[in-house]
Amino acid sequence: SAVISQKPSRDICQRGTSLTIQCQVDSQVTMMFWYRQQPGQSLTLIATANQGSEATYESGFVIDKFPISRPNLTFSTLTVSNMSPEDSSIYLCSVGIGALSYEQYFGPGTRLTVT
Amino acid sequence: RKEVEQDPGPFNVPEGATVAFNCTYSNSASQSFFWYRQDCRKEPKLLMSVYSSGNEDGRFTAQLNRASQYISLLIRDSKLSDSATYLCAVNERGGSNYKLTFGKGTLLTVNP
Repeated sequence: SAVISQKPSRDICQRGTSLTIQCQVDSQVTMMFWYRQQPGQSLTLIATANQGSEATYESGFVIDKFPISRPNLTFSTLTVSNMSPEDSSIYLCSVGIGALSYEQYFGPGTRLTVT
Repeated sequence: RKEVEQDPGPFNVPEGATVAFNCTYSNSASQSFFWYRQDCRKEPKLLMSVYSSGNEDGRFTAQLNRASQYISLLIRDSKLSDSATYLCAVNERGGSNYKLTFGKGTLLTVNP
């Protein structure tokens, strides 16, 4: 596996503002992903963070709302833009490990509350 | 039909019991299957990958039934520390697509 850290671990933000979440891995990985987990729900994939190119977004998620950067193979950021209370959630990054990168390991998550 | 469905739970079992979770998936082309464990207010942790031949890790056994499109997780001699939410995950599109789709999870509580 890999050691994955996220910053911040939690934040309380006002509506209309933006928050950037950082994800750092202790080794180079090909695949990095961003998920959202709303209270009492399972994980929903937001996007795949591609190194050197634009992220690949899942249905229902757009770049203007969730811009993602992936400057190298160990780091990625997710920004939650123009936040509303509906964005209150846990945001998790994950990395793909293994010969085919199918196994995913998660960071500790960022708990976001929008007031 | 949802892509990945799990037993709704919750499961409440006494220590030492055997408990089994099932998870069905809709895409017959799916290639990779996993069980994750998530403790309250923590991130999911990979518990087991599920292989075609089935695999065992101590008290935990995972099996795959491709014909019926489901995976299962069996926990024997359950411990208090097994209390958690168990999530199944499926690589939905197979091949080189790495996207994992998760079930909603099943909450297990092991009671003394």
